[in-house]
Amino acid sequence: EAGVTQFPSHSVIEKGQTVTLRCDPISGHDNLYWYRRVMGKEIKFLLHFVKESKQDESGMPNNRFLAERTGGTYSTLKVQPAELEDSGVYFCASSQDVRQETQYFGPGTRLLVL
Amino acid sequence: GNSVTQMEGPVTLSEEAFLTINCTYTATGYPSLFWYVQYPGEGLQLLLKATKADDKGSNKGFEATYRKETTSFHLEKGSVQVSDSAVYFCALRMKTSYDKVIFGPGTSLSVIP
Repeated sequence: EAGVTQFPSHSVIEKGQTVTLRCDPISGHDNLYWYRRVMGKEIKFLLHFVKESKQDESGMPNNRFLAERTGGTYSTLKVQPAELEDSGVYFCASSQDVRQETQYFGPGTRLLVL
Repeated sequence: GNSVTQMEGPVTLSEEAFLTINCTYTATGYPSLFWYVQYPGEGLQLLLKATKADDKGSNKGFEATYRKETTSFHLEKGSVQVSDSAVYFCALRMKTSYDKVIFGPGTSLSVIP
C-alpha cells in the first residue's frame, strides 16, 4: 500500500510569488490534514478535510493560504503571495476514520521563500 | 489550551548510551499521547503511542509510559544506536475532537559511534 505522498519535495521561490503544494493521501482515507513546521518550531495544525469538505480550518494563518480537495482525493495548498515567514516544512497526513488513532504522515514539502 | 513541552535539544549521545527525552503535556481532559520520529530526509513516522493512563507504548526498543499524575510521557531507550539519530516529537490528540495532533517542538538526537 502506497503511503502519503507530497509534491514537490522542495520549493524555493521569491517573496510575492505563488506556490502550490500537493498531497496524495493513502487510497481510501477520507480524512486529510495539513500541518507545517516553521523555523524549527513545533509542528502546527493547519486544517482538516473530511472528503472534500473542510472540517476544521482553525489553524490556517491568514487568507494568503488556500486549501482545496476537489473530489475528495488529493489536496492542494496554495500560498499566494508567499512571504518570508512562510518558509518551513509542510506536512500532509491522512487517516481512514476520524476516530482512528494514527494519522499517517507524508515526507513533507520544504518551502523556502527568499 | 492544550500543549506539549519537551526537552530542548540537540542531544548528542555515544552509541549504547541510555536515552531519556522528557515530555510533559497540558490538556483539558484525557488525551492520547504519541511519539513521532523524523529520520533525516524522511517523513514523520509514528514511533509509539499510549491511549490511557499507565499504558506503556513500546517499539524498536523505545518505551514511554503515560503518567497522568505528572502529565508526562517521557521517551526512553536503554541502548541507542547510530541509526536512532533523528528528530523526536512528542504529541497529543484529544479523544473528544478527533482531529488535530498537537506537537511539541521536537528534540534532535545525534548518536555518535
